Amino acid sequence: TQLLEQSPQFLSIQEGENLTVYCNSSSVFSSLQWYRQEPGEGPVLLVTVVTGGEVKKLKRLTFQFGDARKDSSLHITAAQPGDTGLYLCAAHGSGNTGKLIFGQGTTLQVKP
Amino acid sequence: DAGITQSPRHKVTETGTPVTLRCHQTENHRYMYWYRQDPGHGLRLIHYSYGVKDTDKGEVSDGYSVSRSKTEDFLLTLESATSSQTSVYFCAIGQGPEAFFGQGTRLTVV
Repeated sequence: TQLLEQSPQFLSIQEGENLTVYCNSSSVFSSLQWYRQEPGEGPVLLVTVVTGGEVKKLKRLTFQFGDARKDSSLHITAAQPGDTGLYLCAAHGSGNTGKLIFGQGTTLQVKP
Repeated sequence: DAGITQSPRHKVTETGTPVTLRCHQTENHRYMYWYRQDPGHGLRLIHYSYGVKDTDKGEVSDGYSVSRSKTEDFLLTLESATSSQTSVYFCAIGQGPEAFFGQGTRLTVV
């Protein structure tokens, strides 16, 4: 069974602080996605990383794919209350079957 | 936004009754997924489909069955609902690596 382990599970910080969320696995993935979910809504795609070592930036969010394509991180600079939500990493299983699995998520609360 | 609709959005049912949730897409995407979401567990894959009549099990498939007779519809059936199946259910569709989600169905089994 391929697992995605996210850490930390919960994070409560003050506005303006920086934070990093991690997504780790023992499996190699062809790509990995990050999603953000707000209460009462479905997850929304933030980014897809494909190449080992790849870094993508989305405003104050920086996403990195590990060199071995087994892990990824999400770094938020100067967090704002609008960043509050559940952050999920996801990846497809091996064999190109389309099976998409998710980590257990990181709940982020940014206090004003 | 991807055209994906879940129905119903809310349902309360009794233990032991069958329940069917529907996912309808207008995007002609190949892949369709059913997940359940419970506190502390993120999204857990129940079943997924990679084409008409082509489905496979996910991590938590016991007690659930699915059918996909048309590209646009993916049905999730709880044959005999149990209280442990109280959850929020999400349907998702995809054509490549990314998935696009519906609004979710909140199911309560009493």
